[in-house]
Amino acid sequence: TQLLEQSPQFLSIQEGENLTVYCNSSSVFSSLQWYRQEPGEGPVLLVTVVTGGEVKKLKRLTFQFGDARKDSSLHITAAQPGDTGLYLCAGEPSGTYKYIFGTGTRLKVLA
Amino acid sequence: EPEVTQTPSHQVTQMGQEVILRCVPISNHLYFYWYRQILGQKVEFLVSFYNNEISEKSEIFDDQFSVERPDGSNFTLKIRSTKLEDSAMYFCASSRDSRDTQYFGPGTRLTVL
Repeated sequence: TQLLEQSPQFLSIQEGENLTVYCNSSSVFSSLQWYRQEPGEGPVLLVTVVTGGEVKKLKRLTFQFGDARKDSSLHITAAQPGDTGLYLCAGEPSGTYKYIFGTGTRLKVLA
Repeated sequence: EPEVTQTPSHQVTQMGQEVILRCVPISNHLYFYWYRQILGQKVEFLVSFYNNEISEKSEIFDDQFSVERPDGSNFTLKIRSTKLEDSAMYFCASSRDSRDTQYFGPGTRLTVL
């Protein structure tokens, strides 16, 4: 069974702090996506990473794909209350046509 | 910006009834997917569809489920005889090709009473 473990599950921090969310698996992925999901809505794509070791930046968000394409991290610099939400990683196992979703990290940034 | 749309946003049905959830994928996308998310749980893959055939399906996608692309724009998920445990958010997604990113719709909340 292919699993994506996210950590931490919950994170509550003060505005201005930095944080890192991790997404780990024993499986190799062709690509890995990070989504953000608001309550009652669908996942909204933040970034896709496809190459081992790849780093992508989206304003204050930095995404990294592990060298072996089994894990990824999302780092947020100087978090703001608008960053509050559920962050999901989703990996596409090699040779499949599906995404395996992580368990999610619920982030709360306090003003 | 093109987006995936889904209707209805909320469907309430009685146990044993058939439901059809509808999706309009992004127009130039060729691969289509259904996922579901039971309240408080993670998003789970149901099925992928390409060239009018199922490419892959999960264990959840049993004989009660079927998918169809009845015309050039719609992609539907049918549940023949709903069960209480089918209550969930159902998300449609589409991608340009099999290696491209999947874009998700806003979901249909299915409540089975």
